[in-house]
Amino acid sequence: EIVLTQSPDFQSVTPKEKVTITCRASQSIGTSLHWYQQKPDQSPKLLIKYASQSFSGVPSRFSGSGSGTDFTLTINSLEAEDAATYYCHQSSSLPHTFGQGTKLEIK
Amino acid sequence: QVQLVQSGAEVKKPGASVKVSCKASGYTFTSYDINWVRQATGQGLEWMGWMNPNSGNTGYAQKFQGRVTMTRNTSITTAYMELSSLRSEDTAVYYCARGVRTCSGGNCLYLSDYWGQGTLVTVSS
Repeated sequence: EIVLTQSPDFQSVTPKEKVTITCRASQSIGTSLHWYQQKPDQSPKLLIKYASQSFSGVPSRFSGSGSGTDFTLTINSLEAEDAATYYCHQSSSLPHTFGQGTKLEIK
Repeated sequence: QVQLVQSGAEVKKPGASVKVSCKASGYTFTSYDINWVRQATGQGLEWMGWMNPNSGNTGYAQKFQGRVTMTRNTSITTAYMELSSLRSEDTAVYYCARGVRTCSGGNCLYLSDYWGQGTLVTVSS
């Protein structure tokens, strides 16, 4: 089973700040890495697919990069509505797995 | 627009079974997989398995083998996830998600894009 490790677990940030979340895979997964945003009491929403492709309707301040084992989600000019938990997810091999999540708090 | 609408919350006793439904609309039901993912309160996401609504083929995470069954009724574009021998640790929100499989030259890419709203299953005596 592929283990995904995100860092940090928690981050407190101010609006307009740039945020970077990393996800490291225990083995190479190519670009089969996706990022989801989950707000309290809501289902996860897809932000970035295949490491760097923006999903339909997602604001341009969200971007992704990486391949192999190291991936990054970047949020440029953070907005208050971006307060959420962010998960990376690999679909390279079964079982599909998720990172433990990164909780973003807006100061 | 793509929508996945799940059945309502359930309360079950230990040892019982629960069956959660996921009604799909806004796309061709048999052209995409359905994945099931669960989330215990305050915890992360855990993938349970997938089902191909066209063939009925399934694949389950080893943790749930023997306890989970994923089925569908194509006439009403609805997928089901049944979990048996429930225990308190199964208390969680269960989500269905549409799975997109793209194959080219023998290589396939896979993605879960749209998710249902979730179904809370509480297991308590």
